[in-house]
Amino acid sequence: DIVMTQFPDSLAVSLGERATINCKSSQSILYSSNNKNYLAWYQQKPGQPPKLLIYWAYTRESGVPDRFSGSGSGTDFTLTISSLQAEDVAVYYCHQYYITPHTFGQGTKLEIK
Amino acid sequence: EVQLVESGGGLVQPGGSLRLSCVASGFISVYEMNWVRQAPGKGLEWVSYSSSGGTTTYYADSVKGRFTISRDNAKNSLYLQMNSLRAEDTAVYYCTRSTDYYDKGGGYYWGQGTLVTVSS
Repeated sequence: DIVMTQFPDSLAVSLGERATINCKSSQSILYSSNNKNYLAWYQQKPGQPPKLLIYWAYTRESGVPDRFSGSGSGTDFTLTISSLQAEDVAVYYCHQYYITPHTFGQGTKLEIK
Repeated sequence: EVQLVESGGGLVQPGGSLRLSCVASGFISVYEMNWVRQAPGKGLEWVSYSSSGGTTTYYADSVKGRFTISRDNAKNSLYLQMNSLRAEDTAVYYCTRSTDYYDKGGGYYWGQGTLVTVSS
């Protein structure tokens, strides 16, 4: 199974500052035939289902603010929130859908400093 | 906007069965679908996968042989038959649909979830 490891486990950032969450996969999730990284990012607020933010490592889902961006390739990926807003407080998960089982990172809890 | 509505959760005794259903607002016939669960206060665990036509399915080791995924594309519906339930199956179960057509994968869209509690 591919193990997805996020770091840090928790993060406190001031409003308006940049937040960076990292995710590392135990093997490459880049499919060479289409040059796509099979990685997504989700935001989950308390009592709500996860919400898709980013897929194919950097494609922003429609309606997601452009302060959210994804980057990385192969085994190392990053979710960046360029200017933290109060409504961004949540748990963030990375997710590989390259092969089953489709595994998730353990989650990163983002709070306001 | 993709809307997925799950139903069928509830309280069941260990060893019992439940059937979860998920109805989509639009057609699902060209999309991969999955079930994902989240135990109380825990992270996300993928449970099962169905190809767009339903001919290919996969399961997490923790549910293999006990759970069965199926779909009825004519009804825009996905199902999860859960047998021999255990306490550790207690979780919110989410129905998800992939972003891309024709089994090309993609991130997941999520329903609101349905709670399954296994307890005597």
